[in-house]
Amino acid sequence: NAGVTQTPKFQVLKTGQSMTLQCAQDMNHEYMSWYRQDPGMGLRLIHYSVGAGITDQGEVPNGYNVSRSTTEDFPLRLLSAAPSQTSVYFCASSYSSGLGTEAFFGQGTRLTVV
Amino acid sequence: AQSVTQLGSHVSVSEGALVLLRCNYSSSVPPYLFWYVQYPNQGLQLLLKYTSAATLVKGINGFEAEFKKSETSFHLTKPSAHMSDAAEYFCAVRSNTGKLIFGQGTTLQVKP
Repeated sequence: NAGVTQTPKFQVLKTGQSMTLQCAQDMNHEYMSWYRQDPGMGLRLIHYSVGAGITDQGEVPNGYNVSRSTTEDFPLRLLSAAPSQTSVYFCASSYSSGLGTEAFFGQGTRLTVV
Repeated sequence: AQSVTQLGSHVSVSEGALVLLRCNYSSSVPPYLFWYVQYPNQGLQLLLKYTSAATLVKGINGFEAEFKKSETSFHLTKPSAHMSDAAEYFCAVRSNTGKLIFGQGTTLQVKP
């Protein structure tokens, strides 16, 4: 049972480059989300999706795009990387967006933009 | 809007001592609260959650948390710290729009 799988685990980008962070879950979860983790700031929500074909912005969406063509996959795209996007990125999924629903997290992608 | 605040970004205890990590919430509706743990270079793992069934919630690895409405708190405790408890701990609340909102995190150091 793989759970939530993120690739790659580490990435170094040059300023202005683009890339896609991959996230896949095998639990048939409807709700998926992307967070970034920065020291002293906890986890901040970037984008989320309540189901295939439906996405919405979170707290810090600028510079990131998402799409959700299937239930399983929720990739995060950086269109033109900036040093401010150096962070650890986590993908999470949950059965629903119900109030007591637990979220399951991937292992994270550590991104450095130089 | 719902939010959580964790008091203390770093907590240091001796092995065998009581662990107390503080979390206060703000919510206009009954909150659904979570504690997650993050071990070094890993993702987040659920420790426990409060969903209004009982005010004292027991979780994994000997941790528990008590929901106190009068104090708007959901502090995490463990009677006796173990070296393996060293990690970062996050309190979170699920908003009424489904978003999971995290506190700033508390790093727990356990000294031998």
